[in-house]
Amino acid sequence: DAGVIQSPRHEVTEMGQEVTLRCKPISGHNSLFWYRQTMMRGLELLIYFNNNVPIDDSGMPEDRFSAKMPNASFSTLKIQPSEPRDSAVYFCASSLGVAGLAGDEENIQYFGAGTRLSVL
Amino acid sequence: AQKVTQAQTEISVVEKEDVTLDCVYETRDTTYYLFWYKQPPSGELVFLIRRNSFDEQNEISGRYSWNFQKSTSSFNFTITASQVVDSAVYFCALSSPEISNFGNEKLTFGTGTRLTIIP
Repeated sequence: DAGVIQSPRHEVTEMGQEVTLRCKPISGHNSLFWYRQTMMRGLELLIYFNNNVPIDDSGMPEDRFSAKMPNASFSTLKIQPSEPRDSAVYFCASSLGVAGLAGDEENIQYFGAGTRLSVL
Repeated sequence: AQKVTQAQTEISVVEKEDVTLDCVYETRDTTYYLFWYKQPPSGELVFLIRRNSFDEQNEISGRYSWNFQKSTSSFNFTITASQVVDSAVYFCALSSPEISNFGNEKLTFGTGTRLTIIP
């Protein structure tokens, strides 16, 4: 399997512009997560989906952020309008999520390589 | 609330030395999972290990070993005979399947320990 694929790897944009980050989860995984990593706040969960449905978006910083998962193999995280404080590395992760005690390959989040976003 | 503490912000050791990375966690749940991830200089997050709260058996994988002790709420990670390629930031994380019907999606990460192996 190719693993979790994120694009672009790097994004440089100007304040006020719309930014769209993309993620393709591992085939067969039913849970998808978006994280943000900054020096100040470390790794933060922004939102996660189960079977393409958003389950918890309490980590989304504000209304400028939105995420969609139109199908099992694709998700986007959009920032509109972008601000310099949004500069961070954004990670997507996927897992085969099951309730209760997990088997060997279940409930392990595998991460993509990340998108480094710079908003000038 | 769940919490993971990695008190060691940075560690430097000379190549071939052994090094232990500490992880202390807090949770009120009886069923939970503990994880270690590695973030090398290239930036990706690499899964290393997961343990569940019912399995306190220590694990060894090559030069890596993990010591899980519920009595002290610790899940420490030891690298034996360290190599330069081990240089990375290591994150300990905690989750609990009890708070959801979907699995352990609430991963709580520690702040990470930056390990530098000096050649």
